[in-house]
Amino acid sequence: AQSVTQPDIHITVSEGASLELRCNYSYGATPYLFWYVQSPGQGLQLLLKYFSGDTLVQGIKGFEAEFKRSQSSFNLRKPSVHWSDAAEYFCAVGARRGSTLGRLYFGRGTQLTVWP
Amino acid sequence: GAVVSQHPSRVICKSGTSVKIECRSLDFQATTMFWYRQFPKQSLMLMATSNEGSKATYEQGVEKDKFLINHASLTLSTLTVTSAHPEDSSFYICSAPDNRATNEKLFFGSGTQLSVL
Repeated sequence: AQSVTQPDIHITVSEGASLELRCNYSYGATPYLFWYVQSPGQGLQLLLKYFSGDTLVQGIKGFEAEFKRSQSSFNLRKPSVHWSDAAEYFCAVGARRGSTLGRLYFGRGTQLTVWP
Repeated sequence: GAVVSQHPSRVICKSGTSVKIECRSLDFQATTMFWYRQFPKQSLMLMATSNEGSKATYEQGVEKDKFLINHASLTLSTLTVTSAHPEDSSFYICSAPDNRATNEKLFFGSGTQLSVL
C-alpha cells in the first residue's frame, strides 16, 4: 500500500539554525517524490521534487532533499532557517508516469515554527 | 510556466445549497485532474480523479452524489458540492499533470476554502 510518514507533527527551531524534516514512504514502484509548503489559508507551493538522477535535489528557497532508496526516505533540509520559512510542510509520493501520474499520497504534514 | 487556476478561492454558503468549484489548466491540456480535500490541521486526501470525457473515479468513502465532478473539456474540471452541510466545510484543491514534457510536471490550484453555515 502506498503511504507517506512524516514522524514529526511539529518542529521548532531558532532562526539561523539548520533544519531537517523527515519523510518515509511506502510505494509499490519507483516513486516520484515531492515536498510542498503551505502557508495558512494558502495553496501548495512546490519546494522540490525527485524524479530520477542525482539523489540530492536542490529546490527553491535554499531547500534540498536527499532520496535514499535503501531507507525509503526523502528528508528535507535547509542549512539556515529564516523566519519566513514558518509554515506547514508536506511530503508526497506518486507515480512517475502513466495514467496515475499526478495522483499523490501525502504525509500528514510537519508544522514548522521559527523562533526569532 | 504552466498554471492551474482554481476559483473561487473562498466561499461561504448556507446549509443545503450547492457550490461549484472550477479548476482550469491555463496553457496546457489536462486529460486528468485530481481533487483533494484538506480538513483543518490535517493532510490532503485524494477525493477523486477527474477524467476528460468520461466518469470520474472516486476514492473509497467519497460520496459520488455529494461531490459531482465534471470534466467537459481538456482545460476545465468542476467539483460541485451538492446540498452542502457544515461537515463539508474544508479546503478543496485541484491538481493537473502536464504530460507534454518527458519530465512530467504537476501543478496545483490555489485551493478553495469552503465554509458551510
